Amino acid sequence: AQSVTQLDSHVSVSEGTPVLLRCNYSSSYSPSLFWYVQHPNKGLQLLLKYTSAATLVKGINGFEAEFKKSETSFHLTKPSAHMSDAAEYFCVVTTGGGNKLTFGTGTQLKVEL
Amino acid sequence: NAGVMQNPRHLVRRRGQEARLRCSPMKGHSHVYWYRQLPEEGLKFMVYLQKENIIDESGMPKERFSAEFPKEGPSILRIQQVVRGDSAAYFCASSPTGFSGANVLTFGAGSRLTVL
Repeated sequence: AQSVTQLDSHVSVSEGTPVLLRCNYSSSYSPSLFWYVQHPNKGLQLLLKYTSAATLVKGINGFEAEFKKSETSFHLTKPSAHMSDAAEYFCVVTTGGGNKLTFGTGTQLKVEL
Repeated sequence: NAGVMQNPRHLVRRRGQEARLRCSPMKGHSHVYWYRQLPEEGLKFMVYLQKENIIDESGMPKERFSAEFPKEGPSILRIQQVVRGDSAAYFCASSPTGFSGANVLTFGAGSRLTVL
C-alpha cells in the first residue's frame, strides 16, 4: 500500500522569497516520487522525479526536492519565488507503472508582489 | 509534437445523459491511462489501456463507466446516465511503453465534466 500527504492545501509567499511545499509519503516498497505542477486550464507538467538515484533532485524552473527516507519526506523547494510559479502542485508516489500513481490532494501556491 | 490532446475541455450534461470524453495520446505512445479528480481531491486512477486492450480497470466504477482504445482513433471514456457525483476533471495520460519509473507519463489538460 502507498499513500502521500501534502501537509498544506494553500501556501502564500512573496515574490523573491523561498518556497517550501511539504510532502510525506508511505510505501511498502522503494518508491518513485514525483512533483507535478498544474497551471490553470493546463495539463499536469512534470517538475522533477526521484527514482532511487541521487537523493537531491533538481527539476525545471529552479525547483528541487530532497528524498529523506528516514523522515519519509519529499519536500519541494525553490530559493526565490516568481509570479509565474503560482499554480497547484501535486506530490505523487508510485511503486509500479503508470496505473499505480497515488496523488496527493495538491498544494495551491500563491505568489504575491 | 502536440502532446496529449483531450476534448472536449468542458462538457455540461444533465442527469441521465451520456458523456463521452476523448483522448489522443502523444505520437508514438501506445499506452493510455485515465485519471479522475473529484473536487478537493487528488487524481485517482481509473483505467489503463493499450491499443484494443484493457490492461487494468481496477479504478473504474462498476456501472455506467466504460473505456476503449481502438486500433484507430482516440481513446474514449464513456459515462452513461450521468449523475451529479460524476462532476469532476478527467485526465488522460500516455506513455510510449509500460511505465517503468524511468519513463514518465505525459498528461493532457483534462476534460471538466459538469452534471446539472
